[in-house]
Amino acid sequence: GAGVSQSPSNKVTEKGKDVELRCDPISGHTALYWYRQRLGQGLEFLIYFQGNSAPDKSGLPSDRFSAERTGESVSTLTIQRTQQEDSAVYLCASSLSVRLAYGYTFGSGTRLTVV
Amino acid sequence: GENVEQHPSTLSVQEGDSAVIKCTYSDSASNYFPWYKQELGKGPQLIIDIRSNVGEKKDQRIAVTLNKTAKHFSLHITETQPEDSAVYFCAAGRNTDKLIFGTGTRLQVFP
Repeated sequence: GAGVSQSPSNKVTEKGKDVELRCDPISGHTALYWYRQRLGQGLEFLIYFQGNSAPDKSGLPSDRFSAERTGESVSTLTIQRTQQEDSAVYLCASSLSVRLAYGYTFGSGTRLTVV
Repeated sequence: GENVEQHPSTLSVQEGDSAVIKCTYSDSASNYFPWYKQELGKGPQLIIDIRSNVGEKKDQRIAVTLNKTAKHFSLHITETQPEDSAVYFCAAGRNTDKLIFGTGTRLQVFP
């Protein structure tokens, strides 16, 4: 596609429910990154994929968070038993390669609100 | 762990004036330093980047400087325009690792 697509753009969920956030990277981009952005704050790294493998998942806040990527394309970030502190914008970025010089292209994010 | 500090958190300037945003990083192995601009409701967009073998890079009204010894890098915007108003993020990373982002600077340019 022309850009990184994330869905849904907005999600309101009740505390304790599970949510799935989807990221469609730019076609041919092998690297995919997930970041979290709390209101008024910076981008907090969660996990990245090289192909379908996740070499670095050190940023996942707890075992309630998981992510997968299939077909070197779509990635899904799953948050189980959501808590109010999970409320944030979840940003996905893709890159031609994990070599940083290629730069990231970000999607517009999914705004998650846990009530 | 790696850390990137960014200052100021907010910056207000008059149209036509210059704006400077500064960042420091902790990982001395970092060798790639991009700057992103984020407009309301959108994802961050890359505006300029610099690699560790270069001290300064310029693209029209935007310039970035890097001091590897001090582990500082800065974004300079000259002749600011209202459309420059946004949140700006610096970031640092090395080789094939992920980017670590600063906390952002909200720039407001008043006409």
